[in-house]
Amino acid sequence: RKEVEQDPGPFNVPEGATVAFNCTYSNSASQSFFWYRQDCRKEPKLLMSVYSSGNEDGRFTAQLNRASQYISLLIRDSKLSDSATYLCVAPGRGYQKVTFGTGTKLQVIP
Amino acid sequence: GAGVSQSPRYKVAKRGQDVALRCDPISGHVSLFWYQQALGQGPEFLTYFQNEAQLDKSGLPSDRFFAERPEGSVSTLKIQRTQQEDSAVYLCASRSSGEANTEAFFGQGTRLTVV
Repeated sequence: RKEVEQDPGPFNVPEGATVAFNCTYSNSASQSFFWYRQDCRKEPKLLMSVYSSGNEDGRFTAQLNRASQYISLLIRDSKLSDSATYLCVAPGRGYQKVTFGTGTKLQVIP
Repeated sequence: GAGVSQSPRYKVAKRGQDVALRCDPISGHVSLFWYQQALGQGPEFLTYFQNEAQLDKSGLPSDRFFAERPEGSVSTLKIQRTQQEDSAVYLCASRSSGEANTEAFFGQGTRLTVV
């Protein structure tokens, strides 16, 4: 089993829609999680950190479910500019190793 | 500059050629990572440095890949006898501490094409 798994998509959603992605991780000892956004041919950039109590930033909400070992990202009122690949990040087997999922591609259509 | 800088941005190598990719992390950042990203895939971990110490090289795909960070700042990823399957974007990231709960900042990557 891969350390971090995501549905690659693509998710094609209309503007204004709400969309959610899940990401599962295998290392039960993982403590820190992140969502990164990667635009086409660009480097990944941090979108949100994921705290045990959940984290909300405007239209974006990230949550952690330790019992089921997954994290989620919810995007409300999707904008065309939200079109990108969303990468889930969790520590790997090594404490300091940072492991990415394959990414979920989102395409917001007018 | 204030960000992670990688050079060259693009590299075309003939199969069998050796290449060296450079990463200048954010000044003072303790942690440095190298990743390989194939088209349509997420970044795959290659190796991790904490200062000058290479603490994890479990992701290096073969002994043709070698990374160093001799003074704890600039890092070089070297690929010997390049193969076509080495074609990918190589991303470098740095982090201010060795703690897993801090943000990693990425460079723009080096796009390597082996022909």
